Amino acid sequence: EDKVVQSPLSLVVHEGDTVTLNCSYEVTNFRSLLWYKQEKKAPTFLFMLTSSGIEKKSGRLSSILDKKELSSILNITATQTGDSAIYLCAAPRGNTPLVFGKGTRLSVIA
Amino acid sequence: GAVVSQHPSWVICKSGTSVKIECRSLDFQATTMFWYRQFPKQSLMLMATSNEGSKATYEQGVEKDKFLINHASLTLSTLTVTSAHPEDSSFYICSANPSGRRVYNEQFFGPGTRLTVL
Repeated sequence: EDKVVQSPLSLVVHEGDTVTLNCSYEVTNFRSLLWYKQEKKAPTFLFMLTSSGIEKKSGRLSSILDKKELSSILNITATQTGDSAIYLCAAPRGNTPLVFGKGTRLSVIA
Repeated sequence: GAVVSQHPSWVICKSGTSVKIECRSLDFQATTMFWYRQFPKQSLMLMATSNEGSKATYEQGVEKDKFLINHASLTLSTLTVTSAHPEDSSFYICSANPSGRRVYNEQFFGPGTRLTVL
């Protein structure tokens, strides 16, 4: 059965901390892994990873894929209260739509 | 570009009534759209794949007679929750890929519709 597993499920940090969110996957015909940020509404796209070992970066966020370990991490440096959200990891199973992990609920407190 | 809208953004209805939710791709055509459901503190669960001009493909455990999907044009898919019950209360989200792009690429999500059934 295809699945995406995220850890931790929730995390509370102080502003300025660095956090690492984990995602592992087992999907048929793996093609890509995607990270999304969900606040109160629908998810917004962060990264799509297809190649192992190549870091993708956007401001304080970065992500990398390890195909050998079937996993990915999402790093957020110098966290801010605005980073508080649910971070979702997803992978399409073959050529079909996304299988989502349960998400990591990040709370950044001032 | 690649904006997806949903209407309504929230709806409250009485048990037994039907509710229609629209998903539109505003600046691209989408032969395929996807409907997800998200219960509180849970992740998104795919309900069905909506195909323009043909029948939708439903995930295991999703009742096709209860969740009617119509994809009548390249920019519009509708989800109708028939004879809604309180357990159908959830956040419904659609997503779409521009036609010609493979589904394992980035998907563009609508803002979601929160359905509350009293």
